[in-house]
Amino acid sequence: DAGVIQSPRHEVTEMGQEVTLRCKPISGHNSLFWYRQTMMRGLELLIYFNNNVPIDDSGMPEDRFSAKMPNASFSTLKIQPSEPRDSAVYFCASSANYEQYFGPGTRLTVT
Amino acid sequence: AQSVTQLGSHVSVSEGALVLLRCNYSSSVPPYLFWYVQYPNQGLQLLLKYTSAATLVKGINGFEAEFKKSETSFHLTKPSAHMSDAAEYFCAVSEHNQGGKLIFGQGTELSVKP
Repeated sequence: DAGVIQSPRHEVTEMGQEVTLRCKPISGHNSLFWYRQTMMRGLELLIYFNNNVPIDDSGMPEDRFSAKMPNASFSTLKIQPSEPRDSAVYFCASSANYEQYFGPGTRLTVT
Repeated sequence: AQSVTQLGSHVSVSEGALVLLRCNYSSSVPPYLFWYVQYPNQGLQLLLKYTSAATLVKGINGFEAEFKKSETSFHLTKPSAHMSDAAEYFCAVSEHNQGGKLIFGQGTELSVKP
């Protein structure tokens, strides 16, 4: 099994640009989670899906952030427009039997 | 609402010494509990989990944790630290019927001195 796949691994963009992060969960997992990790705020849950349906998006910081899961094998997290304070590592995780499996993360730098 | 508290944001031990990372939780129902490890520039990796079976849980890399309901604790231990154990460790709690959502503690960074 390839595990959770995230792309890109690194993203550098200018303030105001749109950023799209991608995630392919482990096949057969029915829950998918997006997290953000920074030194200041630690690990934060942004949103999670169950069977492709968003269940809890209370962690999404503001309307600039949106997430979709059009099918069981793909999810995106979009930031539009991006700001320097969005710089962080973004993790996707998929879950089965309450065990979450994390991807390698996308390191986003907004200048 | 459930929560997790990890005591000590940074723990330093000598190689070969006992590792003890503390985790306390609050939950209204019997929880599932987890320890994850994060090595630099990597995602989190599951070390071990408690799901209401045996209270002493063994995980990978020689780690184990004991669920103590009376103390609402789930401390992580390893008898003898190795240099490769240096990483950040996260305790997490999940309640049932929450779609696998986990509440993570703030993490404890473990340093191992030679």
